[in-house]
Amino acid sequence: GENVEQHPSTLSVQEGDSAVIKCTYSDSASNYFPWYKQELGKRPQLIIDIRSNVGEKKDQRIAVTLNKTAKHFSLHITETQPEDSAVYFCAASGGNAGNMLTFGGGTRLMVKP
Amino acid sequence: NAGVTQTPKFQVLKTGQSMTLQCAQDMNHEYMSWYRQDPGMGLRLIHYSVGAGITDQGEVPNGYNVSRSTTEDFPLRLLSAAPSQTSVYFCASSYRDGYEQYFGPGTRLTVT
Repeated sequence: GENVEQHPSTLSVQEGDSAVIKCTYSDSASNYFPWYKQELGKRPQLIIDIRSNVGEKKDQRIAVTLNKTAKHFSLHITETQPEDSAVYFCAASGGNAGNMLTFGGGTRLMVKP
Repeated sequence: NAGVTQTPKFQVLKTGQSMTLQCAQDMNHEYMSWYRQDPGMGLRLIHYSVGAGITDQGEVPNGYNVSRSTTEDFPLRLLSAAPSQTSVYFCASSYRDGYEQYFGPGTRLTVT
C-alpha cells in the first residue's frame, strides 16, 4: 500500500519567516495530494491540495509543489503568523489502496512572535 | 448544513465493553471513512465505505466493525474494547476519491 513520510516532525520559526514541510510517497499511481491543518483539540481542515497534472498551486501565503518523478511534495508558508501555529498533515490518494487517503505523521509548526 | 457530526464527544469504557460511535453527514457524500489519531501521530484509516452497502478495511481494522445501510450514516462498532483502542476517532466524508475530505469533530475514547 501507500506510505507517506513527512519531515520535519517539529518546526519552529520566527513570525514573518517562511516555513517548508516536505513529504514523500511510495505509490507512483497516487494522484491527489492534500494538506490539512489541525489546531489543538480541533478537527483537521483542508488548507490546500494539488493533483498530479499540476506542478505548483498557490493560495495567498500558502503554496504546494509536486515533483512526480521524485515522488515528493512540499508545503510552503510565507510571512508566517502566530495563528499559523498548528499541526500540518500531508496525505496522498488515488493509488492502489482503495483510493483512500494515507496521511503523513504530521509536523508541529510553532511560530514565535 | 451540519456537515459531519459525531456522537458522543467523549466516552470512557472498561476493557471488554462494546459500544458504537455514531457518524452522520448531510452532504450526500458517497465516501465515508473512520480514522484514529493517537497522541503525536497521524491519522490511520480504520474502515471506509465508497457507498451504501459497501465497506472495506483500512490500515488498522482489527477490533472494529462498520456497516453502511444509508448514504448518511456510518457507525463504527468496538466489539470488545481494549486499552490499545484509547484514541481520538474521526469520521470523514467526501464527494468521492480525489476530493476534499470533511472531518467530524472527533470522539475522544478512553478504555480503562
